[in-house]
Amino acid sequence: QVQLVQSGAEVKKPGASVKVSCKASGYTFTTYDINWVRQATGQGLEWMGWMNPNSGDTGYAQKFQGRLTMTRDTSISTAYMELSSLRSEDSAVYYCARNVRNSGDFVSWGQGTLVTVSS
Amino acid sequence: QAVLTQPSSLSASPGASASLTCTLRSGINVGTYNIYWYQQKPGSPPQYLLRYKSDSDKQQGSGVPSRFSGSKAASANAGILLISGLQSEDEADYYCMIWHSNTWVFGGGTKLTVL
Repeated sequence: QVQLVQSGAEVKKPGASVKVSCKASGYTFTTYDINWVRQATGQGLEWMGWMNPNSGDTGYAQKFQGRLTMTRDTSISTAYMELSSLRSEDSAVYYCARNVRNSGDFVSWGQGTLVTVSS
Repeated sequence: QAVLTQPSSLSASPGASASLTCTLRSGINVGTYNIYWYQQKPGSPPQYLLRYKSDSDKQQGSGVPSRFSGSKAASANAGILLISGLQSEDEADYYCMIWHSNTWVFGGGTKLTVL
Protein backbone atom coordinates (compact mmCIF):
# COMPACT_ATOMS: atom_id res chain seq x y z
CA GLN A 1 0.00 0.00 0.00
CA VAL A 2 1.05 3.59 -0.55
CA GLN A 3 2.95 5.04 2.37
CA LEU A 4 4.67 8.31 3.04
CA VAL A 5 6.88 8.14 6.12
CA GLN A 6 8.36 11.35 7.46
CA SER A 7 11.36 12.00 9.65
CA GLY A 8 11.06 12.72 13.33
CA ALA A 9 10.39 15.82 15.34
CA GLU A 10 12.89 18.66 15.31
CA VAL A 11 13.72 21.49 17.66
CA LYS A 12 15.54 24.42 16.11
CA LYS A 13 16.71 27.84 17.18
CA PRO A 14 15.55 30.99 15.42
CA GLY A 15 17.60 31.64 12.32
CA ALA A 16 18.48 28.00 11.79
CA SER A 17 17.30 25.68 9.03
CA VAL A 18 15.34 22.45 9.17
CA LYS A 19 15.23 19.62 6.66
CA VAL A 20 12.35 17.16 6.79
CA SER A 21 12.28 13.96 4.77
CA CYS A 22 9.36 12.06 3.28
CA LYS A 23 10.06 8.48 2.18
CA ALA A 24 7.61 7.02 -0.31
CA SER A 25 6.76 3.38 -0.78
CA GLY A 26 4.11 1.29 -2.48
CA TYR A 27 4.17 3.18 -5.77
CA THR A 28 6.57 4.54 -8.36
CA PHE A 29 8.01 7.63 -6.68
CA THR A 30 8.52 9.60 -9.87
CA THR A 31 4.94 9.37 -11.11
CA TYR A 32 3.28 11.62 -8.54
CA ASP A 33 4.04 15.09 -7.25
CA ILE A 34 4.93 15.68 -3.63
CA ASN A 35 3.44 18.65 -1.85
CA TRP A 36 4.22 20.08 1.56
CA VAL A 37 1.51 21.46 3.84
CA ARG A 38 2.00 22.80 7.34
CA GLN A 39 -0.27 23.35 10.29
CA ALA A 40 0.52 25.42 13.34
CA THR A 41 -0.98 24.19 16.59
CA GLY A 42 -4.70 24.86 16.64
CA GLN A 43 -4.56 26.52 13.24
CA GLY A 44 -5.55 25.67 9.70
CA LEU A 45 -3.72 24.08 6.81
CA GLU A 46 -1.19 26.06 4.79
CA TRP A 47 0.16 24.81 1.47
CA MET A 48 3.84 25.47 0.99
CA GLY A 49 4.79 24.09 -2.40
CA TRP A 50 5.04 21.15 -4.80
CA MET A 51 7.78 19.14 -6.43
CA ASN A 52 7.85 16.84 -9.42
CA PRO A 53 10.15 13.99 -8.30
CA ASN A 54 10.82 13.00 -11.90
CA SER A 55 12.12 16.33 -13.17
CA GLY A 56 12.89 18.05 -9.88
CA ASP A 57 10.70 20.96 -10.92
CA THR A 58 9.25 22.88 -8.01
CA GLY A 59 6.67 25.53 -7.26
CA TYR A 60 6.57 27.42 -4.01
CA ALA A 61 3.95 29.58 -2.37
CA GLN A 62 5.00 33.20 -2.60
CA LYS A 63 5.15 33.45 1.16
CA PHE A 64 8.05 30.98 1.28
CA GLN A 65 10.02 32.14 -1.76
CA GLY A 66 13.67 32.43 -0.86
CA ARG A 67 13.38 30.34 2.32
CA LEU A 68 12.01 27.06 1.02
CA THR A 69 13.81 24.37 -0.94
CA MET A 70 12.31 21.07 -2.05
CA THR A 71 14.59 18.33 -3.31
CA ARG A 72 14.51 14.60 -3.82
CA ASP A 73 16.66 11.50 -4.01
CA THR A 74 15.01 9.16 -6.47
CA SER A 75 17.40 6.31 -5.60
CA ILE A 76 15.74 6.04 -2.19
CA SER A 77 12.29 7.43 -3.13
CA THR A 78 12.62 10.28 -0.69
CA ALA A 79 11.55 13.89 -0.90
CA TYR A 80 12.96 16.65 1.26
CA MET A 81 11.67 19.99 2.45
CA GLU A 82 14.17 22.49 3.81
CA LEU A 83 13.06 25.74 5.39
CA SER A 84 15.67 28.29 6.35
CA SER A 85 15.82 31.42 8.51
CA LEU A 86 13.39 29.85 10.93
CA ARG A 87 11.30 31.99 13.23
CA SER A 88 8.87 31.11 15.97
CA GLU A 89 5.95 31.39 13.58
CA ASP A 90 7.36 28.44 11.64
CA SER A 91 6.63 26.12 14.55
CA ALA A 92 4.12 23.69 13.11
CA VAL A 93 3.44 20.15 11.99
CA TYR A 94 4.74 19.69 8.46
CA TYR A 95 3.06 17.16 6.19
CA CYS A 96 4.06 15.76 2.83
CA ALA A 97 1.23 14.70 0.54
CA ARG A 98 1.08 12.99 -2.83
CA ASN A 99 -1.03 14.11 -5.76
CA VAL A 100 -1.41 13.74 -9.46
CA ARG A 101 -0.10 16.79 -11.28
CA ASN A 102 -2.67 19.61 -11.42
CA SER A 103 -5.07 17.72 -9.19
CA GLY A 104 -5.97 18.65 -5.64
CA ASP A 105 -6.81 15.15 -4.50
CA PHE A 106 -4.06 14.70 -1.94
CA VAL A 107 -5.02 11.13 -1.20
CA SER A 108 -1.89 10.03 0.61
CA TRP A 109 -0.27 11.95 3.44
CA GLY A 110 2.72 11.49 5.65
CA GLN A 111 2.17 11.23 9.37
CA GLY A 112 3.48 14.73 9.98
CA THR A 113 6.68 16.12 11.49
CA LEU A 114 6.56 18.55 14.38
CA VAL A 115 9.05 21.37 14.03
CA THR A 116 9.50 23.59 17.05
CA VAL A 117 11.42 26.84 16.75
CA SER A 118 12.48 28.14 20.12
CA SER A 119 15.42 29.94 21.61
CA GLN B 1 -9.88 39.47 2.31
CA ALA B 2 -9.05 35.77 2.33
CA VAL B 3 -9.41 33.80 -0.89
CA LEU B 4 -11.59 31.18 0.83
CA THR B 5 -13.75 31.83 3.88
CA GLN B 6 -15.31 29.11 6.00
CA PRO B 7 -17.38 29.52 9.17
CA SER B 8 -15.21 28.63 12.11
CA SER B 9 -17.72 26.27 13.67
CA LEU B 10 -20.96 24.45 13.08
CA SER B 11 -23.06 22.22 15.28
CA ALA B 12 -25.64 19.66 14.23
CA SER B 13 -27.46 16.71 15.71
CA PRO B 14 -26.88 13.05 14.94
CA GLY B 15 -28.97 11.94 11.99
CA ALA B 16 -29.41 15.48 10.72
CA SER B 17 -27.67 17.09 7.76
CA ALA B 18 -24.90 19.67 7.88
CA SER B 19 -24.09 22.12 5.12
CA LEU B 20 -20.55 23.49 5.27
CA THR B 21 -19.85 26.51 3.13
CA CYS B 22 -16.69 27.74 1.49
CA THR B 23 -17.10 31.26 0.14
CA LEU B 24 -14.78 32.51 -2.55
CA ARG B 25 -13.50 36.06 -2.44
CA SER B 26 -15.34 38.56 -4.55
CA GLY B 27 -13.95 38.54 -8.07
CA ILE B 28 -13.17 34.83 -8.00
CA ASN B 29 -16.00 32.97 -9.70
CA VAL B 30 -16.87 29.69 -7.99
CA GLY B 31 -18.19 28.31 -11.26
CA THR B 32 -14.73 28.01 -12.76
CA TYR B 33 -13.10 26.16 -9.89
CA ASN B 34 -12.75 22.64 -8.67
CA ILE B 35 -13.51 22.71 -4.95
CA TYR B 36 -11.71 20.05 -2.91
CA TRP B 37 -12.83 19.02 0.55
CA TYR B 38 -10.81 17.47 3.36
CA GLN B 39 -11.66 16.09 6.77
CA GLN B 40 -9.19 16.21 9.62
CA LYS B 41 -9.51 14.59 13.00
CA PRO B 42 -7.29 15.52 15.97
CA GLY B 43 -3.79 14.14 15.74
CA SER B 44 -4.19 12.89 12.18
CA PRO B 45 -3.34 14.24 8.75
CA PRO B 46 -6.19 15.46 6.58
CA GLN B 47 -8.22 12.94 4.62
CA TYR B 48 -9.41 13.67 1.09
CA LEU B 49 -13.19 13.58 0.77
CA LEU B 50 -14.20 14.76 -2.67
CA ARG B 51 -13.84 17.18 -5.55
CA TYR B 52 -16.73 19.12 -6.97
CA LYS B 53 -16.91 21.36 -10.01
CA SER B 54 -20.37 20.57 -11.31
CA ASP B 55 -22.88 17.76 -11.18
CA SER B 56 -21.25 16.33 -14.29
CA ASP B 57 -17.69 16.87 -13.10
CA LYS B 58 -17.09 15.59 -9.64
CA GLN B 59 -15.15 12.89 -7.87
CA GLN B 60 -15.76 11.02 -4.63
CA GLY B 61 -12.72 9.97 -2.67
CA SER B 62 -12.09 6.28 -2.46
CA GLY B 63 -14.06 4.78 0.39
CA VAL B 64 -15.78 8.05 1.23
CA PRO B 65 -19.44 7.41 2.06
CA SER B 66 -22.07 8.82 -0.26
CA ARG B 67 -23.37 10.77 2.77
CA PHE B 68 -20.69 13.27 1.83
CA SER B 69 -21.49 15.27 -1.28
CA GLY B 70 -20.49 18.50 -2.91
CA SER B 71 -22.35 21.30 -4.57
CA LYS B 72 -22.13 25.00 -5.31
CA ALA B 73 -24.29 28.00 -4.58
CA ALA B 74 -23.54 30.35 -7.44
CA SER B 75 -25.55 33.20 -5.96
CA ALA B 76 -23.39 33.07 -2.84
CA ASN B 77 -20.20 32.35 -4.79
CA ALA B 78 -19.66 29.37 -2.51
CA GLY B 79 -18.83 25.71 -2.55
CA ILE B 80 -20.79 23.47 -0.24
CA LEU B 81 -20.03 20.20 1.50
CA LEU B 82 -23.22 18.46 2.52
CA ILE B 83 -23.06 15.71 5.09
CA SER B 84 -26.29 13.81 5.53
CA GLY B 85 -27.22 11.36 8.25
CA LEU B 86 -24.64 12.82 10.62
CA GLN B 87 -22.78 10.38 12.80
CA SER B 88 -20.62 11.04 15.83
CA GLU B 89 -17.56 10.02 13.80
CA ASP B 90 -18.18 12.97 11.46
CA GLU B 91 -17.10 15.34 14.21
CA ALA B 92 -13.94 16.85 12.77
CA ASP B 93 -12.42 19.88 11.07
CA TYR B 94 -13.30 20.36 7.43
CA TYR B 95 -11.24 22.30 4.92
CA CYS B 96 -11.98 23.41 1.39
CA MET B 97 -9.24 24.04 -1.14
CA ILE B 98 -8.83 25.48 -4.64
CA TRP B 99 -6.03 26.10 -7.10
CA HIS B 100 -5.72 29.86 -7.45
CA SER B 101 -2.90 31.94 -8.85
CA ASN B 102 -0.58 28.92 -9.13
CA THR B 103 -1.13 28.10 -5.49
CA TRP B 104 -3.19 25.58 -3.59
CA VAL B 105 -5.25 27.65 -1.18
CA PHE B 106 -7.02 26.26 1.86
CA GLY B 107 -9.95 27.78 3.63
CA GLY B 108 -9.58 28.42 7.33
CA GLY B 109 -11.56 25.31 8.22
CA THR B 110 -14.85 24.59 9.94
CA LYS B 111 -15.03 22.66 13.18
CA LEU B 112 -18.09 20.44 13.00
CA THR B 113 -19.56 19.32 16.30
CA VAL B 114 -22.11 16.52 16.33
CA LEU B 115 -24.19 16.67 19.47
